[in-house]
Order: sequence, then structure tokens, then C-alpha cells
Amino acid sequence: QLVLTQSPSASASLGASVKVTCTLSSGLARHFIAWHQQQPGKGPRFLMMPNADGSHTRGDGIPDRFSGSSSGAERYLIISSLQSEDEADYYCQTWGTDIRLFGGGTKLTVL
Amino acid sequence: QVQMLESGPGLLKPSETLSLTCTVSGGSIKNYYWNWIRRPPGKGLEWIGYISNSGGTSYNPSLKSRVTISVDTSENRFSLKVTSVTAADTAMYYCARDHGDRVNYFDYWGQGILVTVSS
Repeated sequence: QLVLTQSPSASASLGASVKVTCTLSSGLARHFIAWHQQQPGKGPRFLMMPNADGSHTRGDGIPDRFSGSSSGAERYLIISSLQSEDEADYYCQTWGTDIRLFGGGTKLTVL
Repeated sequence: QVQMLESGPGLLKPSETLSLTCTVSGGSIKNYYWNWIRRPPGKGLEWIGYISNSGGTSYNPSLKSRVTISVDTSENRFSLKVTSVTAADTAMYYCARDHGDRVNYFDYWGQGILVTVSS
């Protein structure tokens, strides 16, 4: 079973940091993932993908406040210095032969 | 910079065929894989399928029997057809590009188009 699991919601205060988690099923535990952001009323956009060497590939105009890490089957999106415009839905995404998968999404509220 | 724009009818009746087009500008449609994704109201993103640079396709098993994706390289656009639509097909529909080089995250997205299925 190829599944990406995300908590439905998260919240943190303006200026703080938050970690959004994506858990990969056993069949995907070694896969790379990417993170996408969907702000209210807008289309999704590519945020970033952590690379094997610890660097990050970021989308156009994405600041380095957005970073990623991993531990075992868990992948993390870390957002530092939270701003009001970070209030959005965040999706992890992975891929395989002939398939593309999304996590269920995490709605981030900035308090 | 690559830009993608979805177009097509926004209102359909049950049992009709949904037809959408994604027009790509700022780059060639060749040499990449091109995807359709949707987001039903109140739900998350769902991958529908892709068409490859060689014209091969792959579809979400849950939709495979009703979906066709095609490409028109001369017009730099690709299309989605979903037959026998129901209210469950009501969603925002997005097109997106695979980054490629075996690293298949979606690096560019369209702004989306709302499709409503209602009698």
C-alpha cells in the first residue's frame, strides 16, 4: 500500500517555527518527496524538495525559511519566522513508476 | 518562466464528458511529462494522470476507466477527457509539469479551473 499520511491541521504563532509531518508507508520509506503550498483561493505551487546531499531545491521565489528534513519514514517541512501569508494547505508528494501520490494535506493556521 | 493555463467548460450535467485543455507557454511541451490533478471541495489534491514526452499515459486506477489524456505538440497544449461525469467529479482541476530527470515532482502548476457537475 503506497500512502502518504499527513495530520489534517497544524498551528503556530506569527514569527515562530512549525514542523509539518508526512509519514511514508513501508513501500515508500526510502522515497524522496516534494512539498507544495496552496494558499486560499490560489493554485498550488511547488515549495521545495530536500536533496540527498542535504541541500534543497526550491520553487521560484521561495525563501529559505522553508526547509525540509527526514527521520526514517517521516519527512518534515519546517517553516521558520512564520508570516501571515504562510497560512495555507501544505501537501507532500512523491512518485514512482507510472504513479504520482499526494498526502492528504495539512491546513496550517498562523495564530 | 513556464506558465500553464487551463481552459474548458465550467458547468456540466451528469453523464456528460468533461473536456479541459492546458496551454503551456514559456517553454516547449516536448521532453517533459504533463499531469492533471484535481481538488474536490473540502478535500485534498488527487492525481488524475499524466502523458509522457513520447505520448505514453498513466492514470490513477480509481479513474482509469473514464480518463483520457492527450497532447498536441504543434499547439503546445495537452488535454483531459473524463466521461460519464457525476457530482463527485465537481472539483478544481489543475495541470502541472513533472520536473523530469527521474525526479518527478510537479515544478509548475496552472492556476486551475472550476468544473461543476449539476443537473
